[in-house]
Amino acid sequence: EIVLTQSPGTLSLSPGERATLSCRASQSISINSLAWYQQKPGQAPRLLIYGASSRATDIPDRFSGSGSGTDFTLTISRLEPEDFAVYYCQQYGRSPLTFGGGTKVEIK
Amino acid sequence: QVQLQESGPALVKLSETLSLTCTVSGGSISSYYWSWIRQPPGKGLEWIGHIYDSGSTNYNPSLKSRVTMSVDTSKNQFSLILSSVTAADTAVYYCARTHRRGWDPGWFDPWGQGALVTVSS
Repeated sequence: EIVLTQSPGTLSLSPGERATLSCRASQSISINSLAWYQQKPGQAPRLLIYGASSRATDIPDRFSGSGSGTDFTLTISRLEPEDFAVYYCQQYGRSPLTFGGGTKVEIK
Repeated sequence: QVQLQESGPALVKLSETLSLTCTVSGGSISSYYWSWIRQPPGKGLEWIGHIYDSGSTNYNPSLKSRVTMSVDTSKNQFSLILSSVTAADTAVYYCARTHRRGWDPGWFDPWGQGALVTVSS
């Protein structure tokens, strides 16, 4: 199975700052088959990005995804108060579908 | 817009069977994969498996021996059965629509709100 490693585990930033989250795969992910989700406490995950760089419906353009092969990045250009949450990457290039362990973005 | 809602017992006894149903509203169950995903308290996400509207399934090998999924297109519902549960199966169980990349399963959107299932003795 493809193992996804997210780093850092926790990112401490202030509102207005830029957040850069990494997701590294144990093997190359075909056709950029990678998605990103945001999860707030007590809520289900919400899709942000699919196809490594395509924003989901109603997702603000401060969220962007990039990368290919084994290295992918989620960037939040300027953090808003509602962006402090846990972020997960997920690959769908090969079964079983797998998730990374998550990156928590917390208020500094 | 499509909405999903999990239902089922919140408490399951050790070694017994967990059973959950996901009801899809606001759209048809046809032409999509439908997944179950779980999240133990304070931990990350694990894909359990998915079912297509035809009834074809694919399960995570880590759970395959204990998982059965089914679909009832007439009721716009799909279900999960997990047998011989242990404390490690205590988790929030989510159902989610699974978009396709070609004919293969892809990303999850939307998700149900989740159902906490606790395994106890």
